[in-house]
Amino acid sequence: AAGVIQSPRHLIKEKRETATLKCYPIPRHDTVYWYQQGPGQDPQFLISFYEKMQSDKGSIPDRFSAQQFSDYHSELNMSSLELGDSALYFCASSLVGELRNTIYFGEGSWLTVV
Amino acid sequence: GESVGLHLPTLSVQEGDNSIINCAYSNSASDYFIWYKQESGKGPQFIIDIRSNMDKRQGQRVTVLLNKTVKHLSLQIAATQPGDSAVYFCAEKSVTGGGNKLTFGTGTQLKVEL
Repeated sequence: AAGVIQSPRHLIKEKRETATLKCYPIPRHDTVYWYQQGPGQDPQFLISFYEKMQSDKGSIPDRFSAQQFSDYHSELNMSSLELGDSALYFCASSLVGELRNTIYFGEGSWLTVV
Repeated sequence: GESVGLHLPTLSVQEGDNSIINCAYSNSASDYFIWYKQESGKGPQFIIDIRSNMDKRQGQRVTVLLNKTVKHLSLQIAATQPGDSAVYFCAEKSVTGGGNKLTFGTGTQLKVEL
């Protein structure tokens, strides 16, 4: 079965640079979520989109922005990168209206800021 | 959910024993709960879910129990195997309340000893 696809899997950037992460949800899923997970920490909710509109916003820095496109894929743009942005970034997707609204995660994108 | 730092609670069990992982959730409006398994460097993997109109749900070797009165969730793994070693997270969401935000609880590191 198709899963959530994230790219790139690994990314190394320097401080103050910009990075873009991409997420391709499971086919037919209409909701995308972004999470940030530091080493040994719980995944922290950043932002979610439903039908291409921002749905919920969590602890996403102002330096970050995201959007969901017409084909339902999503991109997380991170600017003025800081060392503390080094983390594993997960995307997840679900289908609103599905009885259980199960949320499935991708394998993540490792961002290292040096 | 707040970050909990680098020291995850750890549960060590012998292979073949049953494991019980507990989780306390905070939002009384949450009506949908999911348990995820996360192996090192990988994305959270869906294990089992439960809606608030149920107290118990069983899957293959796993059972989730929900106690809404004390806002407590548990995951029982029968006949624990070495491949079950991972960090386990509970997550909560309000489906009927609208919005798309899945909040993770503190992870528990499960270690299976041979």
